[in-house]
Amino acid sequence: DAKTTQPNSMESNEEEPVHLPCNHSTISGTDYIHWYRQLPSQGPEYVIHGLTSNVNNRMASLAIAEDRKSSTLILHRATLRDAAVYYCILASYNTDKLIFGTGTRLQVFP
Amino acid sequence: SQTIHQWPATLVQPVGSPLSLECTVEGTSNPNLYWYRQAAGRGLQLLFYSVGIGQISSEVPQNLSASRPQDRQFILSSKKLLLSDSGFYLCAWSVKAGANVLTFGAGSRLTVL
Repeated sequence: DAKTTQPNSMESNEEEPVHLPCNHSTISGTDYIHWYRQLPSQGPEYVIHGLTSNVNNRMASLAIAEDRKSSTLILHRATLRDAAVYYCILASYNTDKLIFGTGTRLQVFP
Repeated sequence: SQTIHQWPATLVQPVGSPLSLECTVEGTSNPNLYWYRQAAGRGLQLLFYSVGIGQISSEVPQNLSASRPQDRQFILSSKKLLLSDSGFYLCAWSVKAGANVLTFGAGSRLTVL
């Protein structure tokens, strides 16, 4: 399985945009880019996923580089409730398993 | 709509005792099912996954086993718990087709003393 690289931690102020980067230089053509987040003492929750084009949903936006070797999760206006560990994961269309890395711990300050 | 249930939510067990954690999914059929573990302050480790009844894939050799006796039931077991088995155990499911998006349960926190 191709690996991802994320910063260990990031900080943001409330109501500011947050850009969470992820490098995946060994991504294959069938790999989807998934983002999940895990709030304290809870199971991870799905945030967004994409293949080649940028994606938007009510939680976030996903910007995918043209060569697909990196991506960025964008939270347009951070709130205190967005403080969590964010995981970037690659999952092939044909795979049955998702392998999580250590993620990025996002702190949001009032 | 689909829901996933996991129990018990919290468990304190002595070393050497058995373990059984149960997970059930409602509102879908033939899902992929997963068990993950998260040790304190660590990331998620995939333990087992199942693509069908009786079909179990183990990712990490350990003191644990998994079974899928019914389509929407996934059980994590141990005959004799170790201190290192302590952690936050998470069950998840996904549909087979498409991008394999996971939905997680609320988790079971196990403390082995």
